[in-house]
Amino acid sequence: GAVVSQHPSRVICKSGTSVKIECRSLDFQATTMFWYRQFPKKSLMLMATSNEGSKATYEQGVEKDKFLINHASLTLSTLTVTSAHPEDSSFYICSASRDSWSDSNQPQHFGDGTRLSIL
Amino acid sequence: AQKITQTQPGMFVQEKEAVTLDCTYDTSDPSYGLFWYKQPSSGEMIFLIYQGSYDQQNATEGRYSLNFQKARKSANLVISASQLGDSAMYFCAMRYTGANSKLTFGKGITLSVRP
Repeated sequence: GAVVSQHPSRVICKSGTSVKIECRSLDFQATTMFWYRQFPKKSLMLMATSNEGSKATYEQGVEKDKFLINHASLTLSTLTVTSAHPEDSSFYICSASRDSWSDSNQPQHFGDGTRLSIL
Repeated sequence: AQKITQTQPGMFVQEKEAVTLDCTYDTSDPSYGLFWYKQPSSGEMIFLIYQGSYDQQNATEGRYSLNFQKARKSANLVISASQLGDSAMYFCAMRYTGANSKLTFGKGITLSVRP
């Protein structure tokens, strides 16, 4: 069964709305989670690395004030798209791994993704 | 820096036949892991197979096998006995060994299985 749960799976909302997406690790603690953005038929682009109890690390070119990440517990990270506009429409997907140095060969487990459509 | 290259255009294969999806990578680090993921049209990312840089044998998982040629820096995925449900995008990815290291993805390959 799924080890990472992501909600909601689909969001359609008006321009200017803020949208929160949740990513939960279901049966393990994840000190680190990752947030990706994907355009149709393109690869996954890493947006940021979410670290429990500290600030997220954003990739170059990603606006941290636009994409707020909070990793308040070892099983939950949230991505908030603030004041969303049509260009923010995309597929957002999170991942987590049961990570320790010795487990770094373990695959990242992905949520099912969130399709965000801003009208 | 690490880089993953998937250059094949959309691939087609007849049902029940085998297909090879190419992946080359570039890294200066001797310790790394290579992954293949499948993404059907519904969007979820499904882990298929893993190969460690120090593994002596090619990884296999059911109908999936990885043709790992370290000197050539290639990690091709072989799918045997293709099924209609194999139609999807396939991503090769790489990460360095080490806690919380990031996955770097290739651009993906679209595979279509013909009945």
